[in-house]
Amino acid sequence: KAGVTQTPRYLIKTRGQQVTLSCSPISGHRSVSWYQQTPGQGLQFLFEYFSETQRNKGNFPGRFSGRQFSNSRSEMNVSTLELGDSALYLCASRDTGQLNTEAFFGQGTRLTVV
Amino acid sequence: GDSVTQMEGPVTLSEEAFLTINCTYTATGYPSLFWYVQYPGEGLQLLLKATKADDKGSNKGFEATYRKETTSFHLEKGSVQVSDSAVYFCARHASGGSYIPTFGRGTSLIVHP
Repeated sequence: KAGVTQTPRYLIKTRGQQVTLSCSPISGHRSVSWYQQTPGQGLQFLFEYFSETQRNKGNFPGRFSGRQFSNSRSEMNVSTLELGDSALYLCASRDTGQLNTEAFFGQGTRLTVV
Repeated sequence: GDSVTQMEGPVTLSEEAFLTINCTYTATGYPSLFWYVQYPGEGLQLLLKATKADDKGSNKGFEATYRKETTSFHLEKGSVQVSDSAVYFCARHASGGSYIPTFGRGTSLIVHP
């Protein structure tokens, strides 16, 4: 089975722009979650989608949004980029909605805001 | 809110030394507990997990026991190798029907030959 695929791997954007990141989960997985990883804050949960619905959300401003398509692929959008949005954005998929199932992570998208 | 606290790194060891990385979690509900590992340039991958009190997760020589009485899930390995050098994350998945995972800050492990 192919793993979780994130595109692009690297991205450089200017302050004020918006960006869209893409995540293709493992085939058959219906849950996709997104995380922001920074040296200062560590790994923080953004949101989770399950069967095209946002089911859980972390504590991030509304500039961060996402969606999930019928094939479970997910996109994350960040509008009005700020320098502090520079981070590694990780996507993970799980095969069920149960809490005790592990997440399978992609390699991440490294976003640099200049 | 829920939290996970890990010992700060980096942890530097010689090959074949014993490893312990401490992890404690907030006791809200009955979370499932996980250890993930991140190698340079890669995403996280599951190392082991435990879903209820007194469960022991194990994989690749690593072990961790879900201790409800001390709210701990310490990671141990009897003899580390250079290839174990990575960042280790302790995590809890929320209980009560909500999947809001909480990760520790990560502990960098450096193993010297």
